[in-house]
Amino acid sequence: DTEVTQTPKHLVMGMTNKKSLKCEQHMGHRAMYWYKQKAKKPPELMFVYSYEKLSINESVPSRFSPECPNSSLLNLHLHALQPEDSALYLCASSHTTPGQGSSPLHFGNGTRLTVT
Amino acid sequence: RKEVEQDPGPFNVPEGATVAFNCTYSNSASQSFFWYRQDCRKEPKLLMSVYSSGNEDGRFTAQLNRASQYISLLIRDSKLSDSATYLCVVILGNTGKLIFGQGTTLQVKP
Repeated sequence: DTEVTQTPKHLVMGMTNKKSLKCEQHMGHRAMYWYKQKAKKPPELMFVYSYEKLSINESVPSRFSPECPNSSLLNLHLHALQPEDSALYLCASSHTTPGQGSSPLHFGNGTRLTVT
Repeated sequence: RKEVEQDPGPFNVPEGATVAFNCTYSNSASQSFFWYRQDCRKEPKLLMSVYSSGNEDGRFTAQLNRASQYISLLIRDSKLSDSATYLCVVILGNTGKLIFGQGTTLQVKP
């Protein structure tokens, strides 16, 4: 069982919809991440939050909007997505923040998103 | 040249075989190294960290060669359940940036 919980597991949305992905961890980790993964490719980093502040945005389009309400929660708000945004969206957390250490990432189960 | 390179495979081996994967990295500032396992349509899961002195966990052995800038994963006595994609992950010491390799697919056949 993963200690990083993501909801929903599956999401189908139209290009005009607004939806949110949610992620929760109770390990006291200081960094949380959003990754996007397409089939047969490695995960691609989207955002990093360190101590609840956005520290890295990998030039992600504004139709993806992250939010970190507190140290345990991470959301990804979706609006006006394109079909090519269909992918597995993975949340992860780590004990140390990038640049402050080298602890591994712990991934959630992911949300499989289909944009129609 | 990619920062982290892996042979994508697939590696098709019979049960009981020993199989080894290599992963090369280009940035000498690389500080930490991990192997992750990812099953089809699932999330990556940490398999093991890789330490300078090499480390073993049951049938799995990880090695680091800083001089040649590669890490390896050896799986002994392969099981059907070892079939998965194995991702090499490198953390750069200067930025903390985490870089994934493309992954190596392993298929263990009966």
